Amino acid sequence: ETGVTQTPRHLVMGMTNKKSLKCEQHLGHNAMYWYKQSAKKPLELMFVYNFKEQTENNSVPSRFSPECPNSSHLFLHLHTLQPEDSALYLCASTETRGGSDTQYFGPGTRLTVL
Amino acid sequence: GDSVTQMEGPVTLSEEAFLTINCTYTATGYPSLFWYVQYPGEGLQLLLKATKADDKGSNKGFEATYRKETTSFHLEKGSVQVSDSAVYFCALSYNNDMRFGAGTRLTVKP
Repeated sequence: ETGVTQTPRHLVMGMTNKKSLKCEQHLGHNAMYWYKQSAKKPLELMFVYNFKEQTENNSVPSRFSPECPNSSHLFLHLHTLQPEDSALYLCASTETRGGSDTQYFGPGTRLTVL
Repeated sequence: GDSVTQMEGPVTLSEEAFLTINCTYTATGYPSLFWYVQYPGEGLQLLLKATKADDKGSNKGFEATYRKETTSFHLEKGSVQVSDSAVYFCALSYNNDMRFGAGTRLTVKP
C-alpha cells in the first residue's frame, strides 16, 4: 500500500463520545500534520510532528489530543466535541531531511458532531 | 508573515475553454510554490510545483510559472475538461512552513 491513508473515512459522533482518527503514511517520511478543513474557511493547520516530536500546536482546543507513536502513524483523539468541530480532517506527511517541502495528503475523515 | 492570495471563485467554464486561476504570494524568503487540487470527497493532491524563480511546473495539461518579479504563480490550462471540476489551492512553503490559499472552485460544464 502506498501514500497516506486515513481511517475512518466518515465518522458521526455525539458531543459526549470519545473517538480517534488514524493516519498512516507509507512514504518513509519523518513529519506528519493534522489539518482541519471547514466549509468556506481556509485550511487550518492543527498539529505538526517531526520525528515523533510535536513541533507545532496552533492553539487547538484541548478536546483534540494528538498522538504520534512513530514516524508512520498519527492519531487524533477526540472527546466532548462541539457541533462546530464538524469538518474534514486531513492528515499529511512530508520528508524534511534533504530539503523537500512537498506535503502528501490522505483522503480525509469527514467528521459530523451531533 | 508569509501568505497566499488566490482569486475567489467559483469559476464556471465550458468544456475546452481556457483556464486561468490567479495566485500571488507574500514571503520574506524564497519559498517553493505549489498548486494542489481537491476532487469531491477526497483530500488534496499535488498538481504541480516550482522551487525557484522562472521555474515552470506542469502536469496533466496544467502549467504555472514562478514569477519573482510579480510574486505570482498563476495556474493555466489551455482546454479544460469536465473532469477538471474541483477545488484548486495555491500554496507556498518555506522552511517546512506551508501556507495555503482559500481555494478556488472550478466547475466545467459540457
